[in-house]
Amino acid sequence: KQEVTQIPAALSVPEGENLVLNCSFTDSAIYNLQWFRQDPGKGLTSLLLIQSSQREQTSGRLNASLDKSSGRSTLYIAASQPGDSATYLCAVRRAGGGADGLTFGKGTHLIIQP
Amino acid sequence: GAGVSQSPSNKVTEKGKDVELRCDPISGHTALYWYRQSLGQGLEFLIYFQGNSAPDKSGLPSDRFSAERTGGSVSTLTIQRTQQEDSAVYLCASSLRQGAIGELFFGEGSRLTVL
Repeated sequence: KQEVTQIPAALSVPEGENLVLNCSFTDSAIYNLQWFRQDPGKGLTSLLLIQSSQREQTSGRLNASLDKSSGRSTLYIAASQPGDSATYLCAVRRAGGGADGLTFGKGTHLIIQP
Repeated sequence: GAGVSQSPSNKVTEKGKDVELRCDPISGHTALYWYRQSLGQGLEFLIYFQGNSAPDKSGLPSDRFSAERTGGSVSTLTIQRTQQEDSAVYLCASSLRQGAIGELFFGEGSRLTVL
């Protein structure tokens, strides 16, 4: 059974710092990996989707990398801003699919201090 | 529509009452998911619809929970005889199709409070 772990569970950094959030998964037979952010009381907003054949995806100040063989993905946030404060979740889709082929981590709660 | 739409955004009900939560997925999306998120917890899978296939109900926590999807579009999640432990945010997501693209888009959720 796929297990997805996000470390750290919570992170607080001063504004302007570059930071890395980690996502690890136990089964490397994945189809894709998706990063989301969730603001308090809101739904999940898709940030980046990496297909299993890709190594990284970039969107603005965000860069997500994927290393399938080691079961790891990182989300790099450059020049952090207070508006980046949110919970960040990763989700892994198992190759072969099915609804239970999608596994979410518990998220990293990020606070950017002004 | 432009995004996944859920209603109501908030629902407060008394223990024992039935509730219905609605999800309108992005137009053309064939895959639809329901998740539950309890305070401070991760996402708990409930049910999955893919096109005209039989839904995957493996995540429904009890027979008080049911869901349907009419015409391959709008979905309704029904909770009968609600209990306090049903209090959570119920999130709906859709994707263009399961597999090849698979990018998941979520609605804003329906926050259910059972008194």
